[in-house]
Amino acid sequence: AQSVTQLGSHVSVSEGALVLLRCNYSSSVPPYLFWYVQYPNQGLQLLLKYTSAATLVKGINGFEAEFKKSETSFHLTKPSAHMSDAAEYFCAVSPKSSGDKLTFGTGTRLAVRP
Amino acid sequence: NAGVTQTPKFRVLKTGQSMTLLCAQDMNHEYMYWYRQDPGMGLRLIHYSVGEGTTAKGEVPDGYNVSRLKKQNFLLGLESAAPSQTSVYFCASSYSPRGRISGANVLTFGAGSRLTVL
Repeated sequence: AQSVTQLGSHVSVSEGALVLLRCNYSSSVPPYLFWYVQYPNQGLQLLLKYTSAATLVKGINGFEAEFKKSETSFHLTKPSAHMSDAAEYFCAVSPKSSGDKLTFGTGTRLAVRP
Repeated sequence: NAGVTQTPKFRVLKTGQSMTLLCAQDMNHEYMYWYRQDPGMGLRLIHYSVGEGTTAKGEVPDGYNVSRLKKQNFLLGLESAAPSQTSVYFCASSYSPRGRISGANVLTFGAGSRLTVL
């Protein structure tokens, strides 16, 4: 069975600082990988996804993630945090040909300090 | 352009009561899903559907039933609510061309339904 592990349930950064949210996956073959963001009292929305076309994936709002097979990682980064980035971030994995059944990580809540 | 709409947004039940959560999507998506979100556990798949008239179990199906009588609607039912079912429930849908199971399609989520069972 596939799974993802998000290290750090809470991350706090200063406005303008680098954002790094960690995600490691467990799968016998490289799966599809996603990052979703959840703003307070809202549903989840897609930030970016990896589908094996390119290892460095750019998403919305200046976020990007790099797929590293050797490290089974898909960490999310943003060079400069903005107050509006405060939200909960979920890494998710989907096996190829799964019918889009995502398995989510436990989430990382990002706080941005002024 | 409504996307995915969930009703009700909030509900309080007593143990043993029944209820149905309704999910409606207007994007002509084939696949629909029900997830529950609990603190520290992320989202867990309850049931899903790959098309009208079909349903399948997810990771945590016990205590729930679903129906997909119309393509645009996916109902989640609790026959006898328990306190352990206190959670936020999210419906989602995705588009997958008929005959092609991808795994890479993006899910569109509803805003959630917060259920409290006393």
